[in-house]
Amino acid sequence: EPEVTQTPSHQVTQMGQEVILRCVPISNHLYFYWYRQILGQKVEFLVSFYNNEISEKSEIFDDQFSVERPDGSNFTLKIRSTKLEDSAMYFCASSPQGPASTDTQYFGPGTRLTVL
Amino acid sequence: DQQVKQNSPSLSVQEGRISILNCDYTNSMFDYFLWYKKYPAEGPTFLISISSIKDKNEDGRFTVFLNKSAKHLSLHIVPSQPGDSAVYFCAASSIQGAQKLVFGQGTRLTINP
Repeated sequence: EPEVTQTPSHQVTQMGQEVILRCVPISNHLYFYWYRQILGQKVEFLVSFYNNEISEKSEIFDDQFSVERPDGSNFTLKIRSTKLEDSAMYFCASSPQGPASTDTQYFGPGTRLTVL
Repeated sequence: DQQVKQNSPSLSVQEGRISILNCDYTNSMFDYFLWYKKYPAEGPTFLISISSIKDKNEDGRFTVFLNKSAKHLSLHIVPSQPGDSAVYFCAASSIQGAQKLVFGQGTRLTINP
């Protein structure tokens, strides 16, 4: 069964450093997402991406964050200058269809980001 | 942001009995609702969903009920099995929201043998 994959599973970085989290969505999916879950809190939406552009972003997704689909398979989340409060589990998700339909999102296993 | 709420942080059920997990929402624009199951150190796994045009959807041991007037949905698992022990998240989305999912806080379900 196809699945969303994410690398690395755990990333440790120093405050102020740049990190890139990588995701490979399910191959025929068109819509991509990043979510995060700070320890003990809800899963929160960060950004959705469709047709090579951001479809929607949350307040959390400020100028320090960016997303990119550099090739036909990868979908990345970059944090330019990490802060302590960026420590969280980051989940990538993808869904089969475009924004005109209600659609199920399938999640990857997550990357645990620890900012020291 | 309390648009989706799961008021029970935990639930313990005997194996073989019915598990009922509840979820309330406040945003009347939500038109699609999903339940995800999550094990530690894994991502949320899709379980079952329901569109706002329905009031019930069933898939094997899992049934989701939607009461739009009460802005309430529930997940029934019957019979409950030990492998069902996990954290269950309710999530909601709307077409206007470009399908971003709004999650509840989760309910930790423990199935006792």
